[in-house]
Amino acid sequence: EVVLTQSPGTLSLSPGERATLSCRASQFVSSSYLAWYQQKPGQAPRLLIYGASNRATGIPDRFSGSGSETDFTLTISRLEPEDFAVYYCQQYGNLPGYTFGQGTRLEIK
Amino acid sequence: QVQLEESGPALVKPSETLSLTCTVSGGSISPFYWSWVRQPPGKGLEWIGYIYFSGSTNYNPSLKSRVTISLDTSKNHVSLKVRSVTAADTAVYYCARESYNTVTGDSYGLDVWGQGTTVTVSS
Repeated sequence: EVVLTQSPGTLSLSPGERATLSCRASQFVSSSYLAWYQQKPGQAPRLLIYGASNRATGIPDRFSGSGSETDFTLTISRLEPEDFAVYYCQQYGNLPGYTFGQGTRLEIK
Repeated sequence: QVQLEESGPALVKPSETLSLTCTVSGGSISPFYWSWVRQPPGKGLEWIGYIYFSGSTNYNPSLKSRVTISLDTSKNHVSLKVRSVTAADTAVYYCARESYNTVTGDSYGLDVWGQGTTVTVSS
């Protein structure tokens, strides 16, 4: 089973700053099958990025994804107040099962 | 636009079976994958399993022996059953749709989610 490790666990930044979130896989993950989700308190997760670098419908272009093989990154170029949330990576190409990372909490500094 | 709504008992006794339904409205069950994901209080997301519109399934190995996901296409329902529950099964349960490119097979991720339903396992 693929284990996804996200870092840092918590990231403290101010609005307007750049955020860089990491997701490292325990084995090769096809970049076609790596996604990022945002979750705010009391809400369902929202798909941000699929295929490692493709923005989902309606996602602002300040969100971007990159990476390959075992190292993937979510970048938020300039933080808006509504971006403070928990972010999860997920791989969905390596059977027997899909897996999520443990999450990175992005908090206001 | 497609919407998902989870429903089922909020309280289940230990050792019993948890049964939830996800109602798909504004769209069709085909040709998508349908996943269940859960989130224990204060913790991260755990994928439970998926069912393809054709009926084939794939489950999280850690839950496989206790979980069944099924479809009722006539009602646009996706169902989840978890047998022999314990307090560790207490969580918010989400259903989610996975879209994919029907030509290349590339997945577009879990692009539509229900709002989730909270299930507590307690006597």
